[in-house]
Amino acid sequence: QQQVKQSPQSLIVQKGGISIINCAYENTAFDYFPWYQQFPGKGPALLIAIRPDVSEKKEGRFTISFNKSAKQFSLHIMDSQPGDSATYFCAASRGGIDYKLSFGAGTTVTVRA
Amino acid sequence: DAGVTQSPTHLIKTRGQQVTLRCSPKSGHDTVSWYQQALGQGPQFIFQYYEEEERQRGNFPDRFSGHQFPNYSSELNVNALLLGDSALYLCASSPLGPLMNTEAFFGQGTRLTVV
Repeated sequence: QQQVKQSPQSLIVQKGGISIINCAYENTAFDYFPWYQQFPGKGPALLIAIRPDVSEKKEGRFTISFNKSAKQFSLHIMDSQPGDSATYFCAASRGGIDYKLSFGAGTTVTVRA
Repeated sequence: DAGVTQSPTHLIKTRGQQVTLRCSPKSGHDTVSWYQQALGQGPQFIFQYYEEEERQRGNFPDRFSGHQFPNYSSELNVNALLLGDSALYLCASSPLGPLMNTEAFFGQGTRLTVV
């Protein structure tokens, strides 16, 4: 049973465009929502994370939007660059109860020059 | 700071064999978690170690076992290997114990191929 559902499976965007990846969760006990970036043959690297007390967090060209009532969160990559071509994973965990990350299935982003 | 280091990077084993994977956490981190990432999928939680004890376990059979040493490094052991165990095995470390929701740093992984 996948606790975090991620879409789309893949997307292609032109250089300078906006990439949008969406995730939905069921467990209302989740209170930490990170996004990871993974290049082929490498381990996931933390990109940006959000907690449910804020609705949006921005770091450089990356923005997380969080909708607690809808149990959804999304990653926006602004001004997409060819170097952003990678697989992106959303994840969620419950603090104070356990700390294990439940990952989405991943979105492969291809940025065309 | 070397970050999280895993060894070996690649490994090929035969069905039925046993394998040991190793992980050194990031400096200052005391909690180590292991994940299995099948091709084209997200990482799946295997188990977590803190203070040399297994604190949490995902839906993996007893063939998967682990250990944490006093220096916080960890090993993942898989017995009676199956073809389906072929995957990228990731180690993640985090500070302050398992109940603190803090950033997890991943290693580059060990690519295990079972033939």
